[in-house]
Amino acid sequence: DSGVTQTPKHLITATGQRVTLRCSPRSGDLSVYWYQQSLDQGLQFLIQYYNGEERAKGNILERFSAQQFPDLHSELNLSSLELGDSALYFCASSPRTRDPAFFGQGTRLTVV
Amino acid sequence: GQQLNQSPQSMFIQEGEDVSMNCTSSSIFNTWLWYKQEPGEGPVLLIALYKAGELTSNGRLTAQFGITRKDSFLNISASIPSDVGIYFCAGAYSGAGSYQLTFGKGTKLSVIP
Repeated sequence: DSGVTQTPKHLITATGQRVTLRCSPRSGDLSVYWYQQSLDQGLQFLIQYYNGEERAKGNILERFSAQQFPDLHSELNLSSLELGDSALYFCASSPRTRDPAFFGQGTRLTVV
Repeated sequence: GQQLNQSPQSMFIQEGEDVSMNCTSSSIFNTWLWYKQEPGEGPVLLIALYKAGELTSNGRLTAQFGITRKDSFLNISASIPSDVGIYFCAGAYSGAGSYQLTFGKGTKLSVIP
């Protein structure tokens, strides 16, 4: 158990819908990262937050957004979902911005 | 964007054999990490490397940060069935408070008892 908690574990939704994925980082970790894992693209960095502020953006679509709240938990919002958004979404956290990240168990999103 | 080439893509080995896998990049990194992922789980950190030339061990695992800063190697000695999984390399170049990992596509390891 990495200490990073993601909910829900599984999510099935229809195209065009909007979903919210939630992440609670390890106790004391200020940095949160979101990654998408698909069979064809592998693990892709989406976005990083540090202590509530956005610090880095990767291959995140405009339909996706994230935020980190004062209690340090983070949410990833995915809207206007398409079939191609089906993937595993991982949250990771680290104490500071240059420490190795520890990953949660992921949320498996299936868009039908 | 940055690309990591990880090889081999998959390996079938006998229990007890040693395993080697590597990653090369077109860009330099100042951190190399190795993760292992098992079905239904998130990647688990195995080894972190911070300096060019650094050699670090974690039990039967040994990893090295290449001196060019564009490559890294992972060796597993005396493999056992629980070594089965997908091994990912990841490189990071941190700066200005940002830190994003670029992952290789993974090496799928199968161990034949």
